[in-house]
Amino acid sequence: DAGITQSPRHKVTETGTPVTLRCHQTENHRYMYWYRQDPGHGLRLIHYSYGVKDTDKGEVSDGYSVSRSKTEDFLLTLESATSSQTSVYFCAISPAGDKAFFGQGTRLTVV
Amino acid sequence: DQQVKQNSPSLSVQEGRISILNCDYTNSMFDYFLWYKKYPAEGPTFLISISSIKDKNEDGRFTVFLNKSAKHLSLHIVPSQPGDSAVYFCAAPANAGNNRKLIWGLGTSLAVNP
Repeated sequence: DAGITQSPRHKVTETGTPVTLRCHQTENHRYMYWYRQDPGHGLRLIHYSYGVKDTDKGEVSDGYSVSRSKTEDFLLTLESATSSQTSVYFCAISPAGDKAFFGQGTRLTVV
Repeated sequence: DQQVKQNSPSLSVQEGRISILNCDYTNSMFDYFLWYKKYPAEGPTFLISISSIKDKNEDGRFTVFLNKSAKHLSLHIVPSQPGDSAVYFCAAPANAGNNRKLIWGLGTSLAVNP
């Protein structure tokens, strides 16, 4: 699976708690992305990174923060989880910002 | 404002027939297009791509056609198989400053019936 691992794969958390999702790659790709997928919305970009400590917002970044302190790891944090953040989260990596390889996804439920 | 549009949310075809999935785009600067396939509970996987210098790219049962003047591309699957049942996404890389990111369509859910 293109050397990309997401953890955890499933998580249930309570409203108001912080949550961190991890994406780990072994491909040394420059770009890493976090998407969420919801019915009727396709894949929506949350944040992306184009290098260590270099990140930028996507189209649905409110309520989320990211960090990339190493090439191989890209963390997505929900500072205070809300029910609207219940979703399936996908990490993706890309060498040049075009063809992307996806992880298996993390199903997050906020109750 | 969606720059990549897949106007058909779903499509149903019979096994052995042709499946045609469509995608329209608005940004004439797009120079490369990708199709991804997604099964439930899995991440999307790359299927086929096409550069804007071509009008056709073929890989086995999958062919992508690009009509630049109409800003339209289509994915043909011939013959369709039940295992092709999935959601298909069209995407195009866009420049964001000095970086690039993919712009995605909303997807078309294909059902291939035995």
